[in-house]
Amino acid sequence: GAGVSQTPSNKVTEKGKYVELRCDPISGHTALYWYRQSLGQGPEFLIYFQGTGAADDSGLPNDRFFAVRPEGSVSTLKIQRTERGDSAVYLCASSFGKNTEAFFGQGTRLTVV
Amino acid sequence: ILNVEQSPQSLHVQEGDSTNFTCSFPSSNFYALHWYRWETAKSPEALFVMTLNGDEKKKGRISATLNTKEGYSYLYIKGSQPEDSATYLCAFMGGTGGFKTIFGAGTRLFVKA
Repeated sequence: GAGVSQTPSNKVTEKGKYVELRCDPISGHTALYWYRQSLGQGPEFLIYFQGTGAADDSGLPNDRFFAVRPEGSVSTLKIQRTERGDSAVYLCASSFGKNTEAFFGQGTRLTVV
Repeated sequence: ILNVEQSPQSLHVQEGDSTNFTCSFPSSNFYALHWYRWETAKSPEALFVMTLNGDEKKKGRISATLNTKEGYSYLYIKGSQPEDSATYLCAFMGGTGGFKTIFGAGTRLFVKA
């Protein structure tokens, strides 16, 4: 596609449920990033993929969070046993490499009730 | 702990004023510094990717400088226009053991016509 696509754009889920957030990067971009943005703050790094592998997952807050990118393109961020504190906008970005400009998706607004 | 700070937090200027803001970041284990422009309800848009100490980049009325030895970058806007109103984010990429991206909280710019 022309840009980074994230689905769904909005997700409301009950506490304790499992959610998956999808990111479809720009074709040919090998680097893919996930961020979480809370109100009034800058994006918080979660995980960085180079190709299929997670080059840095140190930003994942705990083991309820997991992300995959099995074919080096689409990535899925998975959150188990969601908590109200997980409510945020989850942003995905992709780029050709670490020191090239990254393009962001519109984000998925997750609300845990 | 890697810390990226931006100042000021917000800035109100008149149309035609020139302005600048600061991004401070760790001076060690530096890989790259990114500047983004983020308008409300849109995705962050990349402005500059800076990698070398002394780098100066320019795009139209916006320019940026980089000092990796002392850990700061300045973003300048010449002759501000109302359409420049946005949040300007800087993101430090580096650190040990990986290539996480740490965003500052942003400088919110308001340009009054």
